[in-house]
Amino acid sequence: GQNIDQPTEMTATEGAIVQINCTYQTSGFNGLFWYQQHAGEAPTFLSYNVLDGLEEKGRFSSFLSRSKGYSYLLLKELQMKDSASYLCAVGTNAGKSTFGDGTTLTVKP
Amino acid sequence: GAVVSQHPSWVICKSGTSVKIECRSLDFQATTMFWYRQFPKQSLMLMATSNEGSKATYEQGVEKDKFLINHASLTLSTLTVTSAHPEDSSFYICSATVRSSYEQYFGPGTRLTVT
Repeated sequence: GQNIDQPTEMTATEGAIVQINCTYQTSGFNGLFWYQQHAGEAPTFLSYNVLDGLEEKGRFSSFLSRSKGYSYLLLKELQMKDSASYLCAVGTNAGKSTFGDGTTLTVKP
Repeated sequence: GAVVSQHPSWVICKSGTSVKIECRSLDFQATTMFWYRQFPKQSLMLMATSNEGSKATYEQGVEKDKFLINHASLTLSTLTVTSAHPEDSSFYICSATVRSSYEQYFGPGTRLTVT
């Protein structure tokens, strides 16, 4: 079966750093995705990790450990506009992705 | 690049009627399109996988006779919700991929309200 866990909610302060964790147990692994989704909108792609290690892209970084079934998304220099839901998704087979329930991040001034 | 559109962006229909939602890849040919449903404060639930020229593959628990999917070309897939009921009210999102890539490009979503 497929199981993806991430915290339901997180709160952080503007300008700070926040780390959103994701653990997974899936049948098949073809990479791990992070998406950002603002309320009422479709998800937008943030990052893709298929090999172990850290991928940095501007204020956002994503880490993967395949042996531990673990990933995190790191957001630096938080801005109010970063308040959104962050979805962890695992590419399983046939191009499919299985999504976690998402972490709602609230950035406070 | 990699833009996916959906039409309509929102629709209100009466119970018992059918609604068609279109998903188009505007600047690329999508080998596969996915249809998701998302209820408030919940994650995306995959409904079906659609490949051009072949029948859609539905996830367990999704009624294929109720949610008709037609993938007419490499740039267009449609989802028809037949005999809609209030419990079908949801946010429907499509996504598209290109061959050999697992990255999904999402459409903006369609909010369906059945009264």
